[in-house]
Amino acid sequence: EPEVTQTPSHQVTQMGQEVILRCVPISNHLYFYWYRQILGQKVEFLVSFYNNEISEKSEIFDDQFSVERPDGSNFTLKIRSTKLEDSAMYFCASTEQNTVETQYFGPGTRLLVL
Amino acid sequence: GNSVTQMEGPVTLSEEAFLTINCTYTATGYPSLFWYVQYPGEGLQLLLKATKADDKGSNKGFEATYRKETTSFHLEKGSVQVSDSAVYFCALSDSSGGYQKVTFGIGTKLQVIP
Repeated sequence: EPEVTQTPSHQVTQMGQEVILRCVPISNHLYFYWYRQILGQKVEFLVSFYNNEISEKSEIFDDQFSVERPDGSNFTLKIRSTKLEDSAMYFCASTEQNTVETQYFGPGTRLLVL
Repeated sequence: GNSVTQMEGPVTLSEEAFLTINCTYTATGYPSLFWYVQYPGEGLQLLLKATKADDKGSNKGFEATYRKETTSFHLEKGSVQVSDSAVYFCALSDSSGGYQKVTFGIGTKLQVIP
């Protein structure tokens, strides 16, 4: 069964450093999403992406964040200058259609900012 | 805004015990409701869904009924197995702005012991 993959599974970085989280969505999917879960808190929507542009973003997704689909297979989330409060599990999701029922999630990247 | 409240875990049960995980929601309009499951080391998987009031979603022996009058979507299973040990997330869909995104609860960790 096709699946969404994410790399790395864990990343440790110093505050102020840039990080790039990578996701490979399912190949025929058109809509892409990032969510995050701070330890002990809810999974929160960050951003949705369609047709090479951001379609919706939450208030969490400020100027420090950016997303890109650089090569037709990867979907990346960049955090320009990490803060301690960026430590979280980041989930990528993709879907062929614009329906929640068909969103497939990856296993997540656990980011720790020191 | 929309929100989902679910009981915090961990919940520890013996094999074959009855499971209930409570979930209530706040939403404008008429959301669809979901339960997701995350097994250790894996991504979020859609477990079941209900799209309108009084609908019952079911899968793998789990059930949940969309109760509009109590704004609830409690997850139940009659006889849990060790393999059901996972984190369970209640969620609702939010299609404001035309793009689907998921609002999650905090997740409830279930541990089933033999």
